[in-house]
Amino acid sequence: DSGVTQTPKHLITATGQRVTLRCSPRSGDLSVYWYQQSLDQGLQFLIQYYNGEERAKGNILERFSAQQFPDLHSELNLSSLELGDSALYFCASSAVGSGRGSDTQYFGPGTRLTVL
Amino acid sequence: GEDVEQSLFLSVREGDSSVINCTYTDSSSTYLYWYKQEPGAGLQLLTYIFSNMDMKQDQRLTVLLNKKDKHLSLRIADTQTGDSAIYFCAESKGTGGGATNKLIFGTGTLLAVQP
Repeated sequence: DSGVTQTPKHLITATGQRVTLRCSPRSGDLSVYWYQQSLDQGLQFLIQYYNGEERAKGNILERFSAQQFPDLHSELNLSSLELGDSALYFCASSAVGSGRGSDTQYFGPGTRLTVL
Repeated sequence: GEDVEQSLFLSVREGDSSVINCTYTDSSSTYLYWYKQEPGAGLQLLTYIFSNMDMKQDQRLTVLLNKKDKHLSLRIADTQTGDSAIYFCAESKGTGGGATNKLIFGTGTLLAVQP
């Protein structure tokens, strides 16, 4: 158990809909990352938040957005969903910037999104 | 570019050693990682190596790093059927500014362990 939790585990929805994925980082970690794993693109970095602020953006679509709340949990919002958005979405957290050293990222179990 | 390359498939017999190879791109990466993904599961951190090291051993796992060739390998000694999984190497890449980093993952190597 990495200490990172994600809900829900599975999500099935229709094209055009909007969903929210939730992540709670390991205790004390200030940084949260979102990744997408799909068959055609592999594992891709989407976005990083650090202590409530966006720090880095990767290949994240404009239809996707994220935020990190004062209690450090994060949500990834996916809107106007398309079939191609079906993927496994991972959240990770790390101690980077917290004074506890190590930028090692620990991953949650993922949310499997199926868009029909 | 940001491609991290791995061979797609490796098959070994139980009890043999497995060696999974990875070529990364960014010589300034400070940490390099190995993650394991079992079917239907998340990413489990196996081990990592700091870029100023050339070898790290952790029980059955040995990581070798050749910075000159940007080559990373993971050796699993006495491979067991429970080691069957997809193994990803990843390089940590700073994205500018403090407290920023992202992981660039390889394509993953499917390790099949035959009994």
